[in-house]
Formats: sequence, C-alpha cells, structure tokens
Amino acid sequence: SAVISQKPSRDICQRGTSLTIQCQVDSQVTMMFWYRQQPGQSLTLIATANQGSEATYESGFVIDKFPISRPNLTFSTLTVSNMSPEDSSIYLCSAEWDSTEAFFGQGTRLTVV
Amino acid sequence: GENVEQHPSTLSVQEGDSAVIKCTYSDSASNYFPWYKQELGKRPQLIIDIRSNVGEKKDQRIAVTLNKTAKHFSLHITETQPEDSAVYFCAASRSATNKLIFGTGTLLAVQP
Repeated sequence: SAVISQKPSRDICQRGTSLTIQCQVDSQVTMMFWYRQQPGQSLTLIATANQGSEATYESGFVIDKFPISRPNLTFSTLTVSNMSPEDSSIYLCSAEWDSTEAFFGQGTRLTVV
Repeated sequence: GENVEQHPSTLSVQEGDSAVIKCTYSDSASNYFPWYKQELGKRPQLIIDIRSNVGEKKDQRIAVTLNKTAKHFSLHITETQPEDSAVYFCAASRSATNKLIFGTGTLLAVQP
C-alpha cells in the first residue's frame, strides 16, 4: 500500500473565490483521480489527472471550473474556481498502481459561504 | 455512459446475522469490481475486490460473487458485528481506463 496525503483537510471559503487542493503520494503512481462526494451521496469522478498532459474530464465537469495539474508521478492539484455554495462538498484524490486497488486521500471538506 | 446501481440503500441487521448488498453494472467491458467501506467522516477503504476471471472470492467473513452474464456482483458479510456498521460502496472499472464508477452506497447498521 501507499500513503496519500491531501490538504487542506477542510476549508470555509467565500463565494467567488478559488481553492486549490493538493494531493501527495509517497511513491510514484500511474493513475491519479479526483472525486467529489456531496453530503450523504456517492463518489462522482471529476477527472483523471494525466502526468504531462491535460486532465481528462467526465461529463458535467469542465477545465475552467476544475483546473487540474499533475506535474509529476507523485503529486496533483485540483482547483475549485469561482466557488458557489453548490460546490460545498468533500473532494477526494485517489491513486492507483498497476491496475490494482485504488487508495484514497483523507478528503477535503469544502464549505462555501 | 457507464452506470452502477446498488441495492438496498439502507440495511439493518441483528448482530450475528448475514448482510447482502447487490450491484448491477452497465458496461460489459468492466472487469474489476472493488467494494469500499466508508465510516463516518473517513476515507473509503477497500475491503475486497474481484476481477472478471473469477466468480467468487472470500476473505474471512467477507465474500464477493460475480455473475458476468447478468452483469451483477454482490457483497456478503457473515456473522456481522457492530463495527461493520458503515456505508458500503461497490464500484466497477475497465482496465483500459482504470477509473472507478461507484454505486450509490448502502448504509449498513448492525444492531447489537
């Protein structure tokens, strides 16, 4: 297994501002993903963070709203831009090795006021 | 697009009883099916997984079965304990993309 560190663990932000969430893995991984989990709901994939190229977004999510970086094989960021109260959610990063199990970061609980 | 349905949404059992959660997937190319347990305020943790070349897998009190023809898979927990209480998510993915599509979750409550 590996350790995934995600920060911040929680934040309260003003509407209209942006927040960048960081995800650090303690070893090189092939795949990294970003998920959103709204209160009491399941996990919804936002995008696949590709190393060295643009992220691949799922239907309903766009780069302007959720820009993602992945500068190397151990690190990724997700930015939630121009936030509104509807963006209040838990954001989770995930990493996967060699088509085996996916591990999750501890999540970032975002509240937009 | 890909879809995973999960039932029931809530399940209450007496301690020592068995619990069964069922999922159905739509993408016939899916070949990896993990189950995650999420306790309140915690991250999802993998508890068991199965690949499409296997019909059943067991790990102590937990087992998963897969029916590829019907495109459904199930989680079985025997001799349930209060610490099994949590939300359980099934998921499906295909090796080519590795992205997980999650079911809607099942809140399991084990009554002492």
